[in-house]
Formats: sequence, C-alpha cells, structure tokens
Amino acid sequence: SQQGEEDPQALSIQEGENATMNCSYKTSINNLQWYRQNSGRGLVHLILIRSNEREKHSGRLRVTLDTSKKSSSLLITASRAADTASYFCATDARGGADGLTFGKGTHLIIQP
Amino acid sequence: DSGVTQTPKHLITATGQRVTLRCSPRSGDLSVYWYQQSLDQGLQFLIQYYNGEERAKGNILERFSAQQFPDLHSELNLSSLELGDSALYFCASSAQGFGNTIYFGEGSWLTVV
Repeated sequence: SQQGEEDPQALSIQEGENATMNCSYKTSINNLQWYRQNSGRGLVHLILIRSNEREKHSGRLRVTLDTSKKSSSLLITASRAADTASYFCATDARGGADGLTFGKGTHLIIQP
Repeated sequence: DSGVTQTPKHLITATGQRVTLRCSPRSGDLSVYWYQQSLDQGLQFLIQYYNGEERAKGNILERFSAQQFPDLHSELNLSSLELGDSALYFCASSAQGFGNTIYFGEGSWLTVV
C-alpha cells in the first residue's frame, strides 16, 4: 500500500530558485525520511525526521513535519542542475509491519 | 557508494524461468530489505530480514522467496517469471530495523521477455 504521496508529481524550476516538495501520509508514523533517486540509480538517503521533531536541516535541505496534518515538506534552497532527480518520502509506520513505505515521488528538473 | 552491493546489475530472461538476485549489505548491518520498483507500482516493499530471520513481509508474491545467510548476505529468488515481473529490484540494509537510515544498493534490472 502507498502510505506517502508526494506533491507535485513533477516540478521544473530555474537553477538558483528554491524547490519545495510535499508529502502526505495516512497513518501514525515513527519517522519520515526523504530520499533522492537519479534516473535508474539507487536511492540516496537525504534526511530522517522523527515524529517528535518539527524541523530539520541538512546543508541546503530543510524538512518540516506536521504530524497533526500528516504531512511533510522538503525544501531545497539555491537549487543546482545536479539536484535534478526524483525525490521520495518514506514512512516507517508505527508497528513497522508494512516496512518502509515510499510514495511515488516528485520528479524535479532544474533548468540551467 | 552506499556500501550495499547487488549482483547482477542487469538480467534478461524468458518467461517461466527462475533467477536469483544477490545482495551484500553494508559492513555491520544486520537488516536487509528487498524492494521492487516498476513504473506502474512505484517502490514496493517486498521483505525484510534481520540477522538471518524474516522480520517483516510486504507485497511479496508467492513465486518470490528470499533468505539471509549467516554471513548476512541475502538472496531474492524469483521463479515462474512473468512479463510483469520486469522491474528494478533494490536491496537495502540498515544497522538495526526500521527507524534507522536505510542504505540502498544500485539495484538489479530484471527484464523478462
């Protein structure tokens, strides 16, 4: 079952602009993670935010989590061409029986 | 480089056949996960092993099976292959179970013809 749903499905912006992607999920979670995938490659872990955290930063990445709305956002500031990739949120539902569940991803294109 | 190694990288086989995908987790990681990624289904969790024991099961078909060996490497066996099994199969590992960062391999591309 698809727990997380990213929005938008695709996003195209100019280099240097900020990119914001959103993720909504359905059930209570232990934590939420964001991953990046370059075309046909493995997923690269970006950041993990626990259910008791509201915001987390890592370099040009900023992740927020609103458990009351069951949503998260990933902000990439000062985007670069190399940020072009698909971005997935993944949730670790309480109980963990369903594994780490991924959304369908947001495809981000950074125009040089 | 995540430290997770998967072989083979690419595999083309005929319907009805059986294949085995192999995964070596990051050094020291006890948990191994298998995921299937296809265009229509997205990333689907198949199964998780922890220190040799099955820990969690997802959308894994009965034609598929997996195991984790004492040296912690894992194999995913896919049998009676169908065209719809064509996908990218990922192995991932983590130090413990879910709740920790999971590191993905580069995947094994399976094409069933």
